[in-house]
Amino acid sequence: ETGVTQSPTHLIKTRGQQVTLRCSSQSGHNTVSWYQQALGQGPQFIFQYYREEENGRGNFPPRFSGLQFPNYSSELNVNALELDDSALYLCASSSLRQNTEAFFGQGTRLTVV
Amino acid sequence: AQSVTQLGSHVSVSEGALVLLRCNYSSSVPPYLFWYVQYPNQGLQLLLKYTSAATLVKGINGFEAEFKKSETSFHLTKPSAHMSDAAEYFCAVSAVGRGSTLGRLYFGRGTQLTVWP
Repeated sequence: ETGVTQSPTHLIKTRGQQVTLRCSSQSGHNTVSWYQQALGQGPQFIFQYYREEENGRGNFPPRFSGLQFPNYSSELNVNALELDDSALYLCASSSLRQNTEAFFGQGTRLTVV
Repeated sequence: AQSVTQLGSHVSVSEGALVLLRCNYSSSVPPYLFWYVQYPNQGLQLLLKYTSAATLVKGINGFEAEFKKSETSFHLTKPSAHMSDAAEYFCAVSAVGRGSTLGRLYFGRGTQLTVWP
């Protein structure tokens, strides 16, 4: 158990809809990163939040957005869902100050139909 | 820029045999390197990490990896495979430097390890 929890665990959405995924970071961690893992691929970095601000972004369009809250939990929002957005979305928490490794949650499996 | 190449998308070994999973990295700055394991329908679990200390790194479940700068490699090994080692393994690199963080990882495509009885 890493202490990083994600909800929901599974989700089915229709193309064009919007979705919000949630992540609670591990106690003592101030940084949350989001990754997209398509079937048969390695995780791809979406973006990272540190102290409620975006701190770096991967090669994902603006319809992927996020938030980090004062308690360091985070949300990933995806607008105008496309079929290719079907994937496992992973949240990872870490501490910039302590330079610890990233601890991952169990992920949210999103299916877009 | 950082990237990782994992040679072999599938590796099969017999129980008790040596496990060798290959990883080569590319990094414009001194890297931190990681191996993660993923069981079906689960998140990623850290096996071990290299953060510029000892080049031979020991991890959980009997795994170890050696950082070889001259070969830009970080191969994962285990002397004797167990049935419970069957999973997907990911090598990842993180940049070390100003403004970087261990939280931002660049992953390889993964290697599926099958262990035969």
